[in-house]
Amino acid sequence: KQEVTQIPAALSVPEGENLVLNCSFTDSAIYNLQWFRQDPGKGLTSLLLIQSSQREQTSGRLNASLDKSSGRSTLYIAASQPGDSATYLCAVSSGNTGKLIFGQGTTLQVKP
Amino acid sequence: GAVVSQHPSWVICKSGTSVKIECRSLDFQATTMFWYRQFPKQSLMLMATSNEGSKATYEQGVEKDKFLINHASLTLSTLTVTSAHPEDSSFYICSASLPGETQYFGPGTRLLVL
Repeated sequence: KQEVTQIPAALSVPEGENLVLNCSFTDSAIYNLQWFRQDPGKGLTSLLLIQSSQREQTSGRLNASLDKSSGRSTLYIAASQPGDSATYLCAVSSGNTGKLIFGQGTTLQVKP
Repeated sequence: GAVVSQHPSWVICKSGTSVKIECRSLDFQATTMFWYRQFPKQSLMLMATSNEGSKATYEQGVEKDKFLINHASLTLSTLTVTSAHPEDSSFYICSASLPGETQYFGPGTRLLVL
């Protein structure tokens, strides 16, 4: 059974810092991995989608990497801003059915 | 990106009543919709997968007779919480996708059962 773990559970940094969020999964046979952002009381916004054949994806100040063999992904946020404060969720799909298994999330606070 | 809406955004009901939540894909036809539940400070847990024109597939531990899912068209899926109880209070989120493509999530529906 696939399990997804995110570390740390919470993170507080001053504005401008670069930071890394970690995601690990137990079954390396994944179809793809996604990073989402969730603001309090809101739905999810997809940030980056990495297919199983890819090693990384970039969008603006965000960079996500994927190492299937070790069951790990990282989300790198450069030059963090207060507006980046949110909960970041990692999710893996084990097939093209679209079913996603989510991690517990990392709640990020960027202080001005 | 594609837009998925949910209605209502929040609902308060008495214990024992039934509540229907709608999930719509506004600008694309979704062959598959997913229903998730999220308790406070916890992650999303998949409840069921809904395919247009067929019965929903429920995850282990989710009562199909309590959480009725209907996916009557390519743009609409509904989740009905029957005989709701306080422990059903949660944040319900749907998502919609085309086969093999990313999922687009709705804004969620907060249910409070008194």
